[in-house]
Amino acid sequence: KQEVTQIPAALSVPEGENLVLNCSFTDSAIYNLQWFRQDPGKGLTSLLLIQSSQREQTSGRLNASLDKSSGRSTLYIAASQPGDSATYLCAFRRDTGTASKLTFGTGTRLQVTL
Amino acid sequence: EPEVTQTPSHQVTQMGQEVILRCVPISNHLYFYWYRQILGQKVEFLVSFYNNEISEKSEIFDDQFSVERPDGSNFTLKIRSTKLEDSAMYFCASSDRDRTLAKNIQYFGAGTRLSVL
Repeated sequence: KQEVTQIPAALSVPEGENLVLNCSFTDSAIYNLQWFRQDPGKGLTSLLLIQSSQREQTSGRLNASLDKSSGRSTLYIAASQPGDSATYLCAFRRDTGTASKLTFGTGTRLQVTL
Repeated sequence: EPEVTQTPSHQVTQMGQEVILRCVPISNHLYFYWYRQILGQKVEFLVSFYNNEISEKSEIFDDQFSVERPDGSNFTLKIRSTKLEDSAMYFCASSDRDRTLAKNIQYFGAGTRLSVL
């Protein structure tokens, strides 16, 4: 059974710091990996999607990398802002068809302080 | 920007009652999903739906659950007889058929919080 682990579970940083969130998975047969943001009591906002053939993907201050061989993905947030405070989830999709499910990690709760 | 919409945002029900959670996926999307998140736990897959039938379902999705696409826009999740442990946030998601399937992004709604008393 695929396990997806996110470390750390919680992180507090001062505004302006660069930070890295980690996602580890046990099965390398992934099709793609999505990073999501979840605000308290709210839905999931897709941030980045990395295809299995890619090594990284960038959107603004966010950069996500993927290393299938080691079973790891990282989300790098540059110049963090208080508005970045949220829970960040990684989720992967296996190559089992077009309607295949996402398997989620436990999340990292990020707080960016002033 | 198109979005997945879910109603109601919060549903309170008594144990044993039937509930229907409603979702309007993004127009022209072809694949539909339900996930749930029990408070403090991971987001878990329930069921996927394509071409008017279930594509995949998890072990959570037992006979008490059903899904339906009654018309061209709505996608519903019915829980026939709710239990206390069904209390969770339920998320609907949809995705388009992309020529490159690896780019297939799932878009999520804001969720329905179900409270079973």
